[in-house]
Amino acid sequence: GAGVSQSPRYKVTKRGQDVALRCDPISGHVSLYWYRQALGQGPEFLTYFNYEAQQDKSGLPNDRFSAERPEGSISTLTIQRTEQRDSAMYRCASSFTGGYGYTFGSGTRLTVV
Amino acid sequence: DAKTTQPNSMESNEEEPVHLPCNHSTISGTDYIHWYRQLPSQGPEYVIHGLTSNVNNRMASLAIAEDRKSSTLILHRATLRDAAVYYCIPLNYGGSQGNLIFGKGTKLSVKP
Repeated sequence: GAGVSQSPRYKVTKRGQDVALRCDPISGHVSLYWYRQALGQGPEFLTYFNYEAQQDKSGLPNDRFSAERPEGSISTLTIQRTEQRDSAMYRCASSFTGGYGYTFGSGTRLTVV
Repeated sequence: DAKTTQPNSMESNEEEPVHLPCNHSTISGTDYIHWYRQLPSQGPEYVIHGLTSNVNNRMASLAIAEDRKSSTLILHRATLRDAAVYYCIPLNYGGSQGNLIFGKGTKLSVKP
């Protein structure tokens, strides 16, 4: 597609449920990144992939968070046993190669009630 | 990672030039200087990047100090649409590296 597509746009879930957030990067983009953004704050790095390989997951807050990109294209960020503090905007970005000219998606607004 | 210092906020009048400063005194020799901006309710958007020489594109100009310890993003004629948070980010994307680390940025307000 023309841009980075994220789904769903909005997700409301009950505390304790698992959620899966999807990112479809720009076709041909090698690198894919996940960020989390709280209201009024800058994006916080979570993890990134080159092709299907997860290069850095140092930003994942704890072991309830995981991400995969099995075929080097679409990626899924999974949060298990959600907590209210997980509520945030989750943003995905992709780039043709590492670090160069990221394009961000519109994000998924996650609300845990 | 190199640390950056940017003003929390700046104001400009519409149609006037804006100079957004960034200090990055601990930048390494191989770090590029990237600028992104985030308009209200939108994701970050790439603006410009450079290594040593000044750079121009259709959005902005980037002036990099000779010692590379600071840089300035220049918007030649601010419009209302330029009101956003601007982030200066040193980035070394050699090899498999390349994740942008966002700081607090500068919130730019543009007055009509």
